[in-house]
Amino acid sequence: GQNIDQPTEMTATEGAIVQINCTYQTSGFNGLFWYQQHAGEAPTFLSYNVLDGLEEKGRFSSFLSRSKGYSYLLLKELQMKDSASYLCAGLDSNYQLIWGAGTKLIIKP
Amino acid sequence: ETGVTQTPRHLVMGMTNKKSLKCEQHLGHNAMYWYKQSAKKPLELMFVYNFKEQTENNSVPSRFSPECPNSSHLFLHLHTLQPEDSALYLCASSQDQGASQEQYFGPGTRLTVT
Repeated sequence: GQNIDQPTEMTATEGAIVQINCTYQTSGFNGLFWYQQHAGEAPTFLSYNVLDGLEEKGRFSSFLSRSKGYSYLLLKELQMKDSASYLCAGLDSNYQLIWGAGTKLIIKP
Repeated sequence: ETGVTQTPRHLVMGMTNKKSLKCEQHLGHNAMYWYKQSAKKPLELMFVYNFKEQTENNSVPSRFSPECPNSSHLFLHLHTLQPEDSALYLCASSQDQGASQEQYFGPGTRLTVT
């Protein structure tokens, strides 16, 4: 079966760095997405990885290892506004997104 | 503002009611999606439309009936729902289906079935 695993909740301190991990099992693989969802709002796109390695976008970076079925989202210089849920989703061979349940990130002052 | 709007934002309905959810995208996209989001569960894909044609129906009960009159509008007609159907219903769009493209989501309709 297809499955995406990510931690349910994480806590970090303002100004620090946090890494949110995601492991995936999909039928075929056409890339991995990360989305951010603030409470009561729409998910918004953060990143897409299809090749191994690290993609950096400002304070946010995303890493992919296809051989390990593993990805992480790295958030640096955390701000209070980064408190949100982070959704990992794998794109299978039919170009369907398989979603994780999301990681709720709590930022403390 | 993602370019995808949904109405209503909140809906409370009884099990015998009939209501409709509306989604509109202003992005010129060709693919539109309905998702169900329940607390602490992964997003569940319900329906996909590409160029107004339904391309996916993920074994959704017939009490949910989608309609896509054109590439910019998507409806979800609801009737005789069950309490377990209470959830956030999200609409999304992308340039095309079947490509590694990001989806743009609307803010969702919070549905409560009493």
